[in-house]
Amino acid sequence: GAVVSQHPSWVICKSGTSVKIECRSLDFQATTMFWYRQFPKQSLMLMATSNEGSKATYEQGVEKDKFLINHASLTLSTLTVTSAHPEDSSFYICSARGLGARGGDEQYFGPGTRLTVT
Amino acid sequence: GQSLEQPSEVTAVEGAIVQINCTYQTSGFYGLSWYQQHDGGAPTFLSYNALDGLEETGRFSSFLSRSDSYGYLLLQELQMKDSASYFCAALTGANNLFFGTGTRLTVIP
Repeated sequence: GAVVSQHPSWVICKSGTSVKIECRSLDFQATTMFWYRQFPKQSLMLMATSNEGSKATYEQGVEKDKFLINHASLTLSTLTVTSAHPEDSSFYICSARGLGARGGDEQYFGPGTRLTVT
Repeated sequence: GQSLEQPSEVTAVEGAIVQINCTYQTSGFYGLSWYQQHDGGAPTFLSYNALDGLEETGRFSSFLSRSDSYGYLLLQELQMKDSASYFCAALTGANNLFFGTGTRLTVIP
């Protein structure tokens, strides 16, 4: 149980275009989803937290107008990178937590999406 | 702000024991998790400590001392497949996970 999927697993896009990444919880209802970004050989940086049906909470330094997050249902959150630039090239990872989850062992990660902007 | 510091690299011999330390400063703290990440892959959960003390799960053990804002991951009977990056992550008062700087473990024959 507790499987989280991401789509696509990798994407290449041209500078100036927008890219949408989907994160789905396959066998549980995710009341909260998280989006992380990881540059090569660096740590995971939390970008934003989204709760179903409400606006996402962005971490300091993350442009909310550039990284649009939608958590429209209990099993789906999307991250849209708008007007992508080469510096947005990174590994984007989502994670999900179900209702009532509290422990640090109850956040489940997706396989990640590698974005390359040319 | 949130800060979790780890050694950047560790090298150990196959079959040996290695300890990866993590010191943290967070606003609000519920517990410390450990994750393994192979190159190109997603983080895989290893352990979680909410209370002080040692938690053992097979070859891996994790320790937490809240009073020292310190924890470690202990890997025993190292195998080549254990070569990966290891991250500590603090579950904070906002119920978010903040990741440490990461430690790249290289296991050599």
